[in-house]
Amino acid sequence: DAGVIQSPRHEVTEMGQEVTLRCKPISGHDYLFWYRQTMMRGLELLIYFNNNVPIDDSGMPEDRFSAKMPNASFSNLKIQPSEPRDSAVYFCASSHSTGDTEAFFGQGTRLTVV
Amino acid sequence: AQSVTQLDSQVPVFEEAPVELRCNYSSSVSVYLFWYVQYPNQGLQLLLKYLSGSTLVKGINGFEAEFNKSQTSFHLRKPSVHISDTAEYFCAFYGGSQGNLIFGKGTKLSVKP
Repeated sequence: DAGVIQSPRHEVTEMGQEVTLRCKPISGHDYLFWYRQTMMRGLELLIYFNNNVPIDDSGMPEDRFSAKMPNASFSNLKIQPSEPRDSAVYFCASSHSTGDTEAFFGQGTRLTVV
Repeated sequence: AQSVTQLDSQVPVFEEAPVELRCNYSSSVSVYLFWYVQYPNQGLQLLLKYLSGSTLVKGINGFEAEFNKSQTSFHLRKPSVHISDTAEYFCAFYGGSQGNLIFGKGTKLSVKP
């Protein structure tokens, strides 16, 4: 398996624009996680899914953020409208289960909102 | 509340010196503990994990960690570091009913020649 695949690797957009980040989890993994990493706040969990169903979205910062998982092989995270403070690295991760198994991370998407 | 504390945000060391990166967790239930490493411009990858059994866990690249339940710690060690170990290291755990990893803020290890 190629691992968790995220696209794009880098995104530069203007404030107010819609941004879509994409993730393809490892085949067979039941859990998918979206994290955001910044210098100030470190690694924050935004939302996670189990079997395509959102389980906990309490980390989503505002209504401007939304995430979907229409099927087992794809998820997207949207920010609309984007703001400069959304600039961060966004990671997607997947795991076969939770607890005793590791989560596998994608390479991340570096988002810059100007 | 469940949390992970990494006591040092940055640790500079010289090559071939030993290193310890500290991690303490707070949880009222049994936990599974992990150390992840993040190289520059990369995602996180697993170094090692503690699930049960022996409290000394060995991982990749010569790293090991010791689980200490009484001190709620899971410190990461390496007896002799290399330049290539320069990276950010994250301690994390699963605790109780939560379905997600709880991460510490990370420790940046900088190995100098």
